[in-house]
Parts: sequence; C-alpha cells; structure tokens
Amino acid sequence: AQSVSQHNHHVILSEAASLELGCNYSYGGTVNLFWYVQYPGQHLQLLLKYFSGDPLVKGIKGFEAEFIKSKFSFNLRKPSVQWSDTAEYFCAVNPTSYDKVIFGPGTSLSVIP
Amino acid sequence: KAGVTQTPRYLIKTRGQQVTLSCSPISGHRSVSWYQQTPGQGLQFLFEYFSETQRNKGNFPGRFSGRQFSNSRSEMNVSTLELGDSALYLCASSLEGRGDTDTQYFGPGTRLTVL
Repeated sequence: AQSVSQHNHHVILSEAASLELGCNYSYGGTVNLFWYVQYPGQHLQLLLKYFSGDPLVKGIKGFEAEFIKSKFSFNLRKPSVQWSDTAEYFCAVNPTSYDKVIFGPGTSLSVIP
Repeated sequence: KAGVTQTPRYLIKTRGQQVTLSCSPISGHRSVSWYQQTPGQGLQFLFEYFSETQRNKGNFPGRFSGRQFSNSRSEMNVSTLELGDSALYLCASSLEGRGDTDTQYFGPGTRLTVL
C-alpha cells in the first residue's frame, strides 16, 4: 500500500537556523507532491507543489522543496526560519493513477525566538 | 474567490447520536474530499465525491457516509457516534480531483467532540 513517511515528529530550531524536513513515499509510479502547513489555530494551507518539470520547487514564504525521484523523496527546506514558521508541516503524495491524496503523519516545528 | 467553507465550525454530541457536517467547495470545483484529523492518527482520507458520485473511499466503518449535491456542495454523516470519532473533520475541494494538475484547497474544518 502507498504510504508517506516524515522523518521527524517534532523539530525545535532557533530563529535564523536552516530547516530541512524529510519526506519519503512508497509508490513506484508518477506522483504529484505537496507540502502543506497548518499554523496554530488555522486551517491547512498549500506551501508548494510539484507536478512536473524542474524538481526544485519554490513555494510561499521562502520555502522550497526538491524532488529526488531515485530516492522517492521530497524534502522541504528553508534557509533561515522565523518564529512565525512555528506550525505543523504535512507532506502529501498523489499518485497520478489514483484520485486520492495520501498524507504523511506531519512534523511539528517549533521556532524559538 | 471565496474559499472552502465548512459548517458548523464546532459541534458537541454524545455517544450514540448522529451528526451531519456540511462543506461548500470553491466555486467551479467539482471534487470534494473529506479527511479526519486526530492527534494520534494524523490526517486520514475518508472519501471523495465527484459529480454527485463517491469516487474513492478510505478505511472507515460504514457509520461514516457522505453525499454530494448537484451544486457540488457535500455533506458528511456519522451515525452512532463513538468517543473515538472526536476529531477535526476537514473538507478539501479541487477542480477535477485528478492527479495531473489539481491542487486541493482545504476548509477550516469542523471540530467534533463526542462526550
């Protein structure tokens, strides 16, 4: 069965530190990939998405992600985090031959001022 | 363009009751998916509707059901509520719900508490 794993359950960083959140999926076919963010008390928002083309994808708020097909990975990065980045981050995968999106368990990011 | 709206935002029910949640997708979106979010299980896919038909279903018991109307609005029903049904229920809409160019947009959710 298809699944999505996220490497860290909870990450704590100081402001200005660099961020990398890991995401791996188990599906051998073509996929669309997403990162969503859920800020405290707010609903899910799309950070960035990959459908095709350049595997390095840029999203909102300075986030980017790189799709490495050979590693089945889609890691999220940000060079310098801010306190306002404190949130829950979800990686999601949509195999193009299926109509449903599979979410990872989420990574909780806490940024200390 | 208005986003995905869900009503009600909060609900408190007791065990054994049933509940109906409503979702209005973004105008023009024909696919509506429902998810359950809990601290222990994370985000889990419930089902997806497209053109008034259930197109996909997750691994939830038959107490969870849904439907979609001709205007793409969707309702989700949970019968015989159990304590474990307490969760945030999220609705997401997309244009066609297909895996090529669609992105799902989420609503704010309905927080259901079962006592």
